[in-house]
Amino acid sequence: SQTIHQWPATLVQPVGSPLSLECTVEGTSNPNLYWYRQAAGRGLQLLFYSVGIGQISSEVPQNLSASRPQDRQFILSSKKLLLSDSGFYLCAWSWLGTEAFFGQGTRLTVV
Amino acid sequence: AQSVSQHNHHVILSEAASLELGCNYSYGGTVNLFWYVQYPGQHLQLLLKYFSGDPLVKGIKGFEAEFIKSKFSFNLRKPSVQWSDTAEYFCAVKRSSNTGKLIFGQGTTLQVKP
Repeated sequence: SQTIHQWPATLVQPVGSPLSLECTVEGTSNPNLYWYRQAAGRGLQLLFYSVGIGQISSEVPQNLSASRPQDRQFILSSKKLLLSDSGFYLCAWSWLGTEAFFGQGTRLTVV
Repeated sequence: AQSVSQHNHHVILSEAASLELGCNYSYGGTVNLFWYVQYPGQHLQLLLKYFSGDPLVKGIKGFEAEFIKSKFSFNLRKPSVQWSDTAEYFCAVKRSSNTGKLIFGQGTTLQVKP
């Protein structure tokens, strides 16, 4: 069966520090991968999605970037965090013809 | 650009009342449609989905949704809500292609009073 792992669950980082959130999927190959940010009253905002290794589409101009170095690995990064980067980040995967399956999420607080 | 709109941001109902949450999308091609639910303190879970076939879709916990292509709508319904249905509900749309991105609406908070 397929599983998705996202870590860490919570993270407190100072302003200006770098960020790396990792997401890996097991039990599947060539999934579509997504990074979302969930904020109260704004639903799930799609940040990045990827249909294959090295293929990243950015949906919202921001201080973040994403990479997909391996088929089942999706990384969300920042060189210098801003206070406005605080939020709840969710990784998800899907195939053609399936719903999206979500990770546990990371609560990021930038202080 | 593809977008999803949920008309109701906050709904308050009494137990046994009927529920209908609106969802409209703006993409004109073939789409897959979803409703997700997030109970307090829990993670997102799928309520129901539509890919093709019968436009009336049955989901878990007595929920159903109807896809009306001409109206670009996928409204969620439940005949009689329970206190345990208190949660946040998200409509989502995905283009029916391998490059299709999954877009969510802004969510509707449902509060059911006992």
